[in-house]
Amino acid sequence: DGGITQSPKYLFRKEGQNVTLSCEQNLNHDAMYWYRQDPGQGLRLIYYSQIVNDFQKGDIAEGYSVSREKKESFPLTVTSAQKNPTAFYLCASSIGPTGRIGYTFGSGTRLTVV
Amino acid sequence: QQQVKQSPQSLIVQKGGISIINCAYENTAFDYFPWYQQFPGKGPALLIAIRPDVSEKKEGRFTISFNKSAKQFSLHIMDSQPGDSATYFCAARPFRNQGGKLIFGQGTELSVKP
Repeated sequence: DGGITQSPKYLFRKEGQNVTLSCEQNLNHDAMYWYRQDPGQGLRLIYYSQIVNDFQKGDIAEGYSVSREKKESFPLTVTSAQKNPTAFYLCASSIGPTGRIGYTFGSGTRLTVV
Repeated sequence: QQQVKQSPQSLIVQKGGISIINCAYENTAFDYFPWYQQFPGKGPALLIAIRPDVSEKKEGRFTISFNKSAKQFSLHIMDSQPGDSATYFCAARPFRNQGGKLIFGQGTELSVKP
């Protein structure tokens, strides 16, 4: 079955440490997105990519970095510069910029600072 | 900054009742309005969507009503069931696509009591 796989499901980060969240899709979608979910704040866009080797900052990109070397993969690195990284991170993809059939989301990664 | 405001933040409905969630947006530059349903620990899933040239769309027990002049749209869940208990997000896509990104509301946590 086609879908989006996020790993790990749970991740613990120590102060000053960089961590990378994995997102892989086998839907042959062109566009991929990273959102952060916090209680009462909805989903906020971190980064998005329309094609391989190209990506744009979203509304809350500070402290995060991404790469898009393959169509299937869009990993997110949470750097030590992100001061409040504890959140639920969601990766999504869509067939293209028009996204007529909407997003397909992964099951998320819950990141906790310890 | 483009915004979508969603209310209420939480909602309790008796089984068989009607659940109503409202969203409002602050400018006219959107061309697609999807609703997503999210169960705990999972990623959101597309529930139903509408375009601004349509005033109402119905799929089973779920109906979107769209009021273009008031810049408001709402989700109605008829004959609400305990299995509908989830968090619901409205969203809007900027007219000029901007990479297909979606602007999400803050979410509504729905609880349907048996």
